[in-house]
Amino acid sequence: DQQVKQNSPSLSVQEGRISILNCDYTNSMFDYFLWYKKYPAEGPTFLISISSIKDKNEDGRFTVFLNKSAKHLSLHIVPSQPGDSAVYFCAASARTSGTYKYIFGTGTRLKVLA
Amino acid sequence: GAVVSQHPSWVICKSGTSVKIECRSLDFQATTMFWYRQFPKQSLMLMATSNEGSKATYEQGVEKDKFLINHASLTLSTLTVTSAHPEDSSFYICSVSTGRETQYFGPGTRLLVL
Repeated sequence: DQQVKQNSPSLSVQEGRISILNCDYTNSMFDYFLWYKKYPAEGPTFLISISSIKDKNEDGRFTVFLNKSAKHLSLHIVPSQPGDSAVYFCAASARTSGTYKYIFGTGTRLKVLA
Repeated sequence: GAVVSQHPSWVICKSGTSVKIECRSLDFQATTMFWYRQFPKQSLMLMATSNEGSKATYEQGVEKDKFLINHASLTLSTLTVTSAHPEDSSFYICSVSTGRETQYFGPGTRLLVL
């Protein structure tokens, strides 16, 4: 079963507007949630994370919101720029034997139109 | 963060041969590294946790005798795909754990088995 889901495989947004990417999870034991950006044939690049004890974290144009009761998180990018076009993965993390192991969502391809 | 490199970036091999992929942590001494695999248009799936100086921990469904992992130093982990077959063709990515919740990923290695 898919513990972390990104139900929108793709999203198109006009430059300057807000991009909202969504992620749902099933396991209430996750203690961190992270967003990564990925270009084809490259490794993921860390964007922003949030602890399960918080409901919002902001870093520049990127804000992540966490709704624990709904087991839902979202990434807001504002304003969106053409360089933001990439695949975005959410990851849920649980500390196991001293390390944080990830479960990734299926990804959302964001296209920012100039 | 940590800077991570992988070598080779891509490799083509014949069915039945073995392929070694290197993952190097360039600026951080990593006791823990992870190996992931990504099939086209799918998520990143954790294959194993590589522990310096000890045996790797494999995820359910991953054959440890087929995917040999060696983590002999704090800066190098290797993944050897033994007796590769076309179904092993995939994008293999490693990451470095800094002990906190964020992992830093290498650029990935694309493997094509003919």
